[in-house]
Amino acid sequence: SQQGEEDPQALSIQEGENATMNCSYKTSINNLQWYRQNSGRGLVHLILIRSNEREKHSGRLRVTLDTSKKSSSLLITASRAADTASYFCATEDTGFQKLVFGTGTRLLVSP
Amino acid sequence: GAGVSQSPSNKVTEKGKDVELRCDPISGHTALYWYRQSLGQGLEFLIYFQGNSAPDKSGLPSDRFSAERTGGSVSTLTIQRTQQEDSAVYLCASSLYHGIGYEQYFGPGTRLTVT
Repeated sequence: SQQGEEDPQALSIQEGENATMNCSYKTSINNLQWYRQNSGRGLVHLILIRSNEREKHSGRLRVTLDTSKKSSSLLITASRAADTASYFCATEDTGFQKLVFGTGTRLLVSP
Repeated sequence: GAGVSQSPSNKVTEKGKDVELRCDPISGHTALYWYRQSLGQGLEFLIYFQGNSAPDKSGLPSDRFSAERTGGSVSTLTIQRTQQEDSAVYLCASSLYHGIGYEQYFGPGTRLTVT
């Protein structure tokens, strides 16, 4: 399967804490994207990091990419209850030019 | 402006019946994608359309699944002779182009339940 894997599958933290989610993939990529999904419905694009980038920031989000290890991490700082959602990484494969989604991390942020 | 819309939002059908799911992409987006998401799982790619090019059907799980895109805009995903394992949320997405680094915009999905 081309599907990436995310770790942990579920994460439960308190408001104000940081949340870190990891993504591993299998193939060479053009870029890696992170998406958020609320309540099993449509996904919202959060951030894109290109294969020649190592770190990227957007607001409270920090994404790292290590192409030698074929892994990425998403850090959400100072989490809020509204951050509760599922988070998916998606890789754009150099061979197929399609997004391949990971299995997702379910994040629960308690007030 | 309007985002990607899908209809119906929920569909319950009996095993063996055919269903049609509709997707209205963002105006001006040339690429359109269909995905399937089973309960608690990641997204499974089904098919994509790019402009007037032949669609990439490599993700369709069986010949009971088909999709078309009329006039480069609205798309319909058809599932014939539905089976219980077809129960899932079907998500549509569009992007300005199909190419490296283009963000996909997702619709709210259609939850299909086959009884």
